[in-house]
Amino acid sequence: QKEVEQNSGPLSVPEGAIASLNCTYSDRGSQSFFWYRQYSGKSPELIMSIYSNGDKEDGRFTAQLNKASQYVSLLIRDSQPSDSATYLCAVIGTGYSTLTFGKGTMLLVSP
Amino acid sequence: KAGVTQTPRYLIKTRGQQVTLSCSPISGHRSVSWYQQTPGQGLQFLFEYFSETQRNKGNFPGRFSGRQFSNSRSEMNVSTLELGDSALYLCASSLGQGGTETQYFGPGTRLLVL
Repeated sequence: QKEVEQNSGPLSVPEGAIASLNCTYSDRGSQSFFWYRQYSGKSPELIMSIYSNGDKEDGRFTAQLNKASQYVSLLIRDSQPSDSATYLCAVIGTGYSTLTFGKGTMLLVSP
Repeated sequence: KAGVTQTPRYLIKTRGQQVTLSCSPISGHRSVSWYQQTPGQGLQFLFEYFSETQRNKGNFPGRFSGRQFSNSRSEMNVSTLELGDSALYLCASSLGQGGTETQYFGPGTRLLVL
């Protein structure tokens, strides 16, 4: 049973701070990792994908992957109230083309 | 390029009825995956279609079925609806070339079973 675990939150940060979202996965052979953002009542929207160990930066977002620890994280710098949403970690496991999602972490950014 | 579209956006049915949901993928995408999202269970994978064939299947009862047409459009059907089928049904499309590619989601169909 492939599992993806996330802290459900809510994670509350003040505007301008760094928000750190974490995710662990059980399938050691997983190769593809994604972060989606989902606003209430909307569908998931892709923020970042990462495939190799290390950091990947895109604007205010940085994804970090550590396959040895089976851990992936998302950092949001200069957090804005518009970043308030649920962040979903998703993984494609060994030999599969389907996404396994964590249950998401709710982020609240206060002005 | 137009995104993934889903119809209808909202649906109300009663227990025992059946329902068909439709998904049109991004142009050029050949893989369509379906997911069910509920507050308690999160996003759960239903099935994936590629080139009109079911390529992967999640752990859902046989009441949930799907198909894909030659133009890559996909439909999913739920028969004998139960209250617990109330959920947001999402489809996602991708090129279908392998396990590393990104899936893009449609807006979803919100189903309420009374």
